[in-house]
Amino acid sequence: AQTIHQWPVAEIKAVGSPLSLGCTIKGKSSPNLYWYWQATGGTLQQLFYSITVGQVESVVQLNLSASRPKDDQFILSTEKLLLSHSGFYLCAWSLLGGRYAEQFFGPGTRLTVL
Amino acid sequence: QQKVQQSPESLIVPEGGMASLNCTFSDRNSQYFWWYRQHSGEGPKALMSIFSNGDKKEGRFTAHLNKASLHVSLHIKDSQPSDSALYFCAAINNYAQGLTFGLGTRVSVFP
Repeated sequence: AQTIHQWPVAEIKAVGSPLSLGCTIKGKSSPNLYWYWQATGGTLQQLFYSITVGQVESVVQLNLSASRPKDDQFILSTEKLLLSHSGFYLCAWSLLGGRYAEQFFGPGTRLTVL
Repeated sequence: QQKVQQSPESLIVPEGGMASLNCTFSDRNSQYFWWYRQHSGEGPKALMSIFSNGDKKEGRFTAHLNKASLHVSLHIKDSQPSDSALYFCAAINNYAQGLTFGLGTRVSVFP
């Protein structure tokens, strides 16, 4: 069975500090991968998507970057956090052309920037 | 670029009552539509999908799709406190970028 893990579960960071969030999908090869940001109780804003290793497309510019170093791994990072980066970060996967585009979300990482 | 609009923003429903959520999308060529549910502190989970015009029922949940009017809805019958959550509708944007989500409807069911 496929599983999706996100790490860390939660982070409290200072403004201006660096950040790295991770996501791993097990049990599926060559998934499409996505990063979303969600303000508390808010909408899901897609940040990045990737359809293959080494290729990442940016959807919105929020002073964040993403990388896909392995088929099953997606990393979200920034060198300098802003207060506006606080929120809930969600990783998701789907199969290109697979079962009607259903996306599966991870448990999320809660980020608080102080 | 697919655009998805949801209404209402929030809904308060008595336990045992009916909750009705609405969604409109912009791309007439859209084929696949989803309803997702997110409980507080968790990732969203797919609730149900609908691909053909008409109604689709799964337990207490009924989705309705009208592609001609670019409209999809979700009805929750006999609402339970455990149905209190944020509900998103979603339609495919493209096969690389995946689903586009609406802004969400917060449903609160009170005993």
